[in-house]
Amino acid sequence: DTAVSQTPKYLVTQMGNDKSIKCEQNLGHDTMYWYKQDSKKFLKIMFSYNNKELIINETVPNRFSPKSPDKAHLNLHINSLELGDSAVYFCASGGSGGNEQFFGPGTRLTVL
Amino acid sequence: QQQVKQSPQSLIVQKGGISIINCAYENTAFDYFPWYQQFPGKGPALLIAIRPDVSEKKEGRFTISFNKSAKQFSLHIMDSQPGDSATYFCAASESSSGSRLTFGEGTQLTVNP
Repeated sequence: DTAVSQTPKYLVTQMGNDKSIKCEQNLGHDTMYWYKQDSKKFLKIMFSYNNKELIINETVPNRFSPKSPDKAHLNLHINSLELGDSAVYFCASGGSGGNEQFFGPGTRLTVL
Repeated sequence: QQQVKQSPQSLIVQKGGISIINCAYENTAFDYFPWYQQFPGKGPALLIAIRPDVSEKKEGRFTISFNKSAKQFSLHIMDSQPGDSATYFCAASESSSGSRLTFGEGTQLTVNP
């Protein structure tokens, strides 16, 4: 009965590779988000989708591309991975208005 | 530009004591102020939240105090327990801009037994 789930939990890959992180929520929310937590634990918004439509796109390299096949899923594709992409990536979902946001367990990405 | 500033960076409290974490914000359009608790290896979990039309909100041992004129808000944890040891984040969002959360830098709380 997990509310927001992410796969994989850990992702270790070589520089230059392309990888994807999947997110699913069963809360019936309209809005989903991707946040990045760096090595100092700082959390920063990357993207937000509302009903499959992109509504927030922060200053993120275009190597990062979110995809929302339906409002319960928001995946993150990362091309040409760089060392600086190593971080923990969190998916979140929010209800009407999006204020209350619920986070997934995170995906720890390590780029070697 | 850091829009939400949080202090202290780390806090050590004895069991039974009061933990106080402070945040200050700059954007007066923020209209929702949550606190999140994060344990190692887990995602942030919503703890308690407040809107600017009230000055205080209490849920169990957790209380948010909000000062709109000073643009500050704080989290008070009464009767702190070792199980409260975690990283705490304040955040703020603006409903009209997609409700993105702007986070503070986090406070590592350690409650000694």
